[in-house]
Amino acid sequence: GQNIDQPTEMTATEGAIVQINCTYQTSGFNGLFWYQQHAGEAPTFLSYNVLDGLEEKGRFSSFLSRSKGYSYLLLKELQMKDSASYLCAVRDGGATNKLIFGTGTLLAVQP
Amino acid sequence: EAQVTQNPRYLITVTGKKLTVTCSQNMNHEYMSWYRQDPGLGLRQIYYSMNVEVTDKGDVPEGYKVSRKEKRNFPLILESPSPNQTSLYFCASSGLSVLGRAYGYTFGSGTRLTVV
Repeated sequence: GQNIDQPTEMTATEGAIVQINCTYQTSGFNGLFWYQQHAGEAPTFLSYNVLDGLEEKGRFSSFLSRSKGYSYLLLKELQMKDSASYLCAVRDGGATNKLIFGTGTLLAVQP
Repeated sequence: EAQVTQNPRYLITVTGKKLTVTCSQNMNHEYMSWYRQDPGLGLRQIYYSMNVEVTDKGDVPEGYKVSRKEKRNFPLILESPSPNQTSLYFCASSGLSVLGRAYGYTFGSGTRLTVV
């Protein structure tokens, strides 16, 4: 079956660093995405990993280990505007090429 | 500006009254898809389309129809809406590589549908 697990909620302090973990078990794999979604709004693209290792993009970094079915999103120098849901999504390796989404991690940044 | 446009943004309707949610993209993307998002369930795929006149079911297609007569448009049709279709709906589009594999999605702004 297809399963993507993320923590439901996390809380962090402004200026700090937070790591959001994602584990997946899918029938195929053709890349892993992280999206940010503010309440009631559309998801917006943050990062993409298809090979093992770390991808850095400003305050955001994402890591992938395909052998462990594991990824994390690292957010540095947290700002209040980073309060949002963070969605982990795996691109299916099959013919549909669809994105399979986790239920998201709701991050609350406190002053 | 490259974008996916959905309409309407909000819709309240009654059980059984047919409705259409429109989706249009201006990026010449081949791949388009509809998702619904419900608390605790995340984003679930309803239907997708790999190109004009090519559509297929996603994970939760019951009660929905789609069409892809033009590359830019991918409307979602609810022939007889029911209260369990109350949800937040997103349209998404993506380009395809030469191997036919979709890249990351660009999402529309969403349609919040309430069926009473």
